[in-house]
Parts: sequence; C-alpha cells; structure tokens
Amino acid sequence: EVQLVESGGGLVQPGGSLRLSCIVSGFTFSSYEMNWVRQAPGKGLEWVSYISSRGTTIYYADSVKGRFTISRDNAKNSLYLQMNSLRAEDTAVYYCARSYGDYESALGYWGQGTLVTVSS
Amino acid sequence: QSVLTQPPSASGTPGQRVTISCSGSSSNIGSNYVYWYQQLPGTAPKLLIYSNNQRPSGVPDRFSGSKSGTSASLAISGLRSEDEADYYCSTWDDSLSGPGVFGGGTKLTVL
Repeated sequence: EVQLVESGGGLVQPGGSLRLSCIVSGFTFSSYEMNWVRQAPGKGLEWVSYISSRGTTIYYADSVKGRFTISRDNAKNSLYLQMNSLRAEDTAVYYCARSYGDYESALGYWGQGTLVTVSS
Repeated sequence: QSVLTQPPSASGTPGQRVTISCSGSSSNIGSNYVYWYQQLPGTAPKLLIYSNNQRPSGVPDRFSGSKSGTSASLAISGLRSEDEADYYCSTWDDSLSGPGVFGGGTKLTVL
C-alpha cells in the first residue's frame, strides 16, 4: 500500500524557518517524481514545488522561489521542504504528493498533510 | 488569481448530471493534459481524471473528463450525496517557470 506521511509542521514566527519531511512506503521512491502542494485555510490548492525522481529537475511557484528548497533522499525514502523567511501568507496545510504511474503531472497519491502556521 | 478559471459553485439533485468547467489559455490547457481532483471535506485531494479523460482505477465511470481547445470539463452523472465536495482542475503552464497550476476550485452541492 502506498503511504506518504508528512511531518514537521507547527507554529513559527514570521521570518522563521521550518523543515517539512515526507516519509513514503509501499513503492520504489527513487522511481517517482514528487511534489509539495499547499492549501491555505478555507482556500484552494497551490502547487508549491516539484522534484524529478533523481532530483535533477526542480520547479518552484513564484510565491516561494528563493525562500523554499525542495530536496529528496532516495536512500531514506524521504522528501523534504526547507522553508525560510516564512510569511503569514505561507500559513497552510502542506501536502506531499506522488505522481501517478508514468504521468508525472498527475498527483495520484497524497499524504494527510501537515499544518504550518506563521504568526507572532 | 489562478490562470485556470472555474465557477466557484455548482449544484444538482441526486441522479442529475452536472458539469464543471475549467477555462485556460493556449499556454496551459491548450497545450497540456488536464487533471481533475476531488477533495471531500477535511481530507486530502484525490485524483479523479488524468490525461484529460482517463480515470484511475477505482474511480466510478460516473465521472468523465473532456477537453476542447483551451477549456476542459468534468461531468458527473447519476449525482450522489457523497459527490458533495470541492473539485479542482490542474495542468501545466508553459509560460510559467514553476510547477503545475490549479484552478480556483468549484464547490459542488448536492441538493
């Protein structure tokens, strides 16, 4: 069974940092593209970042470019999102998501999400 | 403001057929596959349609997707109360340097 479990969320002050983790199981992690998607309270989905299976291709939404860093450790079946210079508008539930088969743009599997709250 | 435009709400009665539209441009829907997601209250999104009109295993054939030019649609036939959820379209945008984009979402109410 495919499982994705996020952790690392919490309350942080504006300007602070946080590192999210997503530990996966049930599939060969190194074979799949991974993504971070967030959802602000009561709002829609925002695709935050994408990383290819070997980490050679990375994309960021303009809203987080220069502040967030996506990475992966295929040996540890883990995906990360380092978030720096956090702002109030970064408050959201952050989901990690895996591509669906060979369809790298289809987010076929999602974690349960971890809540990040940026507030003083 | 998303580059993909969806109606904020839609509604229907049990058994009805409803459609949700997603409007984009030549740089996104016009040149890329469209995906649809269903998000039930308090849960993570679920892939409903990929590659414009394909259903992942386990998704009922009551759900169907289509694309024409720079617009796409999700149709739900035989509407059920458990279909009440938020629905999002998604695709890539060749004019942006980031990852994919989502529509603003459509809240479907089953009356």
